[in-house]
Amino acid sequence: DSGVTQTPKHLITATGQRVTLRCSPRSGDLSVYWYQQSLDQGLQFLIQYYNGEERAKGNILERFSAQQFPDLHSELNLSSLELGDSALYFCASSVGQSSGNTIYFGEGSWLTVV
Amino acid sequence: LAKTTQPISMDSYEGQEVNITCSHNNIATNDYITWYQQFPSQGPRFIIQGYKTKVTNEVASLFIPADRKSSTLSLPRVSLSDTAVYYCLVGGGPGGVTGGGNKLTFGTGTQLKVEL
Repeated sequence: DSGVTQTPKHLITATGQRVTLRCSPRSGDLSVYWYQQSLDQGLQFLIQYYNGEERAKGNILERFSAQQFPDLHSELNLSSLELGDSALYFCASSVGQSSGNTIYFGEGSWLTVV
Repeated sequence: LAKTTQPISMDSYEGQEVNITCSHNNIATNDYITWYQQFPSQGPRFIIQGYKTKVTNEVASLFIPADRKSSTLSLPRVSLSDTAVYYCLVGGGPGGVTGGGNKLTFGTGTQLKVEL
């Protein structure tokens, strides 16, 4: 158990809908990351937050947004969902924000868009 | 961001030592090298991290030559449960608390298959 908690574990929704994935980082970690993993794309970095502020941005679609709240939990919002958004979404956390910090991953949220 | 290149797959047998080499020719001065292990449908799990020379922990060793353009993950005496995908990552942000973030980018990884 990495200490990173993600909910829900599984989610099935229809195209065009909007979903919110939730992440609680490890105790004491200030940085939260979101990754998307699909069969054909591998693990893709989406976005990073540190202590409530956006720190790094990857290949995150405009239909997707995220935020980190004062209690440090984070949410990833996915809207106007398409079939291709079906993937495993991972949240990860670390103490700091730089590359020297070990990142711990949650078990992921399976999103299926039908 | 430093791009990494590693073998797509490797096969081994139980009890053998496995060495997975990763190339990262464009590594930056302040980049760390980190290896993760991932089982199907699970989140990647941290294995080891290093900056230069050799790092060893209870599960693996990491060898980094002086030029840091490559690194080798060494798994001693692998077992069936070590069958997984192994990712080599190189950090992408400046160090320190005031750094610009950490776009830790995963490559395609190496699928290690351990057989009896």
